[in-house]
Amino acid sequence: SQTIHQWPATLVQPVGSPLSLECTVEGTSNPNLYWYRQAAGRGLQLLFYSVGIGQISSEVPQNLSASRPQDRQFILSSKKLLLSDSGFYLCALGLSSGNTIYFGEGSWLTVV
Amino acid sequence: DQQVKQNSPSLSVQEGRISILNCDYTNSMFDYFLWYKKYPAEGPTFLISISSIKDKNEDGRFTVFLNKSAKHLSLHIVPSQPGDSAVYFCAASSLNDYKLSFGAGTTVTVRA
Repeated sequence: SQTIHQWPATLVQPVGSPLSLECTVEGTSNPNLYWYRQAAGRGLQLLFYSVGIGQISSEVPQNLSASRPQDRQFILSSKKLLLSDSGFYLCALGLSSGNTIYFGEGSWLTVV
Repeated sequence: DQQVKQNSPSLSVQEGRISILNCDYTNSMFDYFLWYKKYPAEGPTFLISISSIKDKNEDGRFTVFLNKSAKHLSLHIVPSQPGDSAVYFCAASSLNDYKLSFGAGTTVTVRA
C-alpha cells in the first residue's frame, strides 16, 4: 500500500523567511500529488496539484509555489512568508485508477 | 465559490445514538463523493465513498446516502462511539477530474 511522508511536522518561521515543505510517497508510481492547506477553523483548500514530473497546476494565487522534481517527490516553497501563510499543510496523493486521495500527516506552519 | 457545503459546523450526540452529517453540492458534474475523518493535528483519513450510480453505500457503522436530484448526501454513524469525535469533511469530484472539492467540515462530539 502507498505511504506518504511529510516533513517537517511543525515549523515556526519569521515573516519574510523562506519555506520548504517536502513530501515523498512510496508504494506507487506516477501518482497525482496535491498540496492542501487548512487554515484555522476552515476547510481544506487545494493549493497545487501535479499529474507528473514538472507539471504543476496552481489553484489559488499566492506567494507559494510547488515543484515536482521526481515522480514521488512534491515540494511546497515560498521565498518570503506572510503571516497569512500560517496553517496546516497537507500533502496528498491520488492513484490514477480512482478518485480517492490519501493524505499525509500534515505540517503545522506558524509564521511569526 | 464553495461547491460543497456542510452547513452544520458542529454536532453533539450521545454515545450509542445515531450521528447524521449532511452535505450539499452545487456542481451537477460531480459524480463521486467521499467522507473523510480528521483528528486534530493529523491528516484526514478516508472513511467511505459513493459513486452517482448508487444511492447508498454501507461499511460497518458508516452509511452514506446520496440524493442526486437534491444534490445532497449524508453520512450516518450508528452507533456513535467516543472515538468518532473528530472533524468530518465531505468531498466531491467528477470521475474525469483529478481534484476533490471539500466542504468546510463538521465537528462531531460524542458524549459519554
